[in-house]
Amino acid sequence: DIQMTQSPSTLSASVRDRVTITCRASQSISNWLAWYQQKPGQAPKLLIFKASSLESGVPSRFSGSGSGTEFTLTISSLQPDDFATYYCQQYNSSPLTFGGGTKVEIK
Amino acid sequence: QAQLVQSGAEVKKPGASVKVSCKASGYTFTSYGISWVRQAPGQGLEWMGWISAYNGNTNYAQNFQGRLTMTTDTSTNTAYMELRSLTFDDTAVYYCARDVGENWCDPWGQGTLVTVSS
Repeated sequence: DIQMTQSPSTLSASVRDRVTITCRASQSISNWLAWYQQKPGQAPKLLIFKASSLESGVPSRFSGSGSGTEFTLTISSLQPDDFATYYCQQYNSSPLTFGGGTKVEIK
Repeated sequence: QAQLVQSGAEVKKPGASVKVSCKASGYTFTSYGISWVRQAPGQGLEWMGWISAYNGNTNYAQNFQGRLTMTTDTSTNTAYMELRSLTFDDTAVYYCARDVGENWCDPWGQGTLVTVSS
């Protein structure tokens, strides 16, 4: 199975900060990576697919980059609605696997 | 727009089975598959498997082989996930999500809490 490792596990930031979350795969997954946002008590919501493609309706302050084994999710200017937990997910091969999550907290 | 609505919360005893439904609307059901993902309390996301709504083909994660069955009913645009021989470790929120073919998941159902308790 492909292991997905996210860092940091928790991130404290302020509104308008630039935030970067890293996701590393245990082997190359090309660009077969998605990012999700999950708020407490809610289902995950797709933000990014194919490593850098922004899902329709997702604010442009979210962006994704990377290929192979290293990927990043960047929020260019953190907004109050962005405080949540973020997960990466690889779909290069079965079983699909998720990173452990990064909780973005208010500083 | 595409929407998935899941059945309500369940409480089961160890050793029992649970069957969760996921009703799709707003898209052509048979053009996509459904992935099932679970989340234990305070934990991350775990993919359980995928089913094609077109032909019923399935792919289950090794962790659940032998006690997991996914099915679809194309007459009602509903997917089902049945998990047998429940243990306390199966206590989790179970999500269905539209998934074209074991790719990204979008959208997700609202989740179904399954509690295993004696």
